[in-house]
Amino acid sequence: DIQMTQSPSTLSASVGDRVTITCRASQSSGNWLAWYQQKPGKAPILLIYKASNLEMGIPPRFSGSGSGTEFTLTISSLQPDDFATYYCQHYNIYSESYTFGQGTKVEMK
Amino acid sequence: QVHLQESGPGLVRPSETLSLTCTVSGGSVSSNTHRWSWIRQPPGKGLEWIGYVSHSGSTKYDASLKSRVTMSVDTSKNQFSLRVTSVTATDTAVYYCARHYGSSLDFWGQGTLVTVSS
Repeated sequence: DIQMTQSPSTLSASVGDRVTITCRASQSSGNWLAWYQQKPGKAPILLIYKASNLEMGIPPRFSGSGSGTEFTLTISSLQPDDFATYYCQHYNIYSESYTFGQGTKVEMK
Repeated sequence: QVHLQESGPGLVRPSETLSLTCTVSGGSVSSNTHRWSWIRQPPGKGLEWIGYVSHSGSTKYDASLKSRVTMSVDTSKNQFSLRVTSVTATDTAVYYCARHYGSSLDFWGQGTLVTVSS
């Protein structure tokens, strides 16, 4: 199975900062990559699908890029509501299975 | 707007069977456009995909849980279900149901905590 490795595991940032989170796949995985935001006690929210497509209703300060083995989630200007944990999720089209990264917690510096 | 709601016991004894149901409103489990998944999250840890069920009842499970998991769909009630047999403390988690949109999960239930303890 493809393994997904997120980095960093924790990120300290300030409001207004540009934030970048990386997700690496153990083997090439096309663009079947999604990003989610999760706040404590809440269900995850889909931000980005198919690597770079912004989900409806998500602010445009969120963007995704990459393909193959390296993917990036960028928050162009961090807002107070953005302090949360972010997960990448890969879909393996061959085994039809889903794998989540281990998560990146964005905390206040 | 699609809404999903998990229901089931919050406490299960070790070696017994965990059973949860997800009720869907604002959408149909009969749709051949979507699959329906279960995901869990142990306390303080990350997300773990358990498996999915389609409108026809076809399933796909994560390899690590495959021997203990069964999922089914009830189109008459617009629900889908999860059963995990022979549970241990490591099955303690918040369990989420979610709808697939292509290769991602676009609508999630609020989650339900299941604790395995005697």
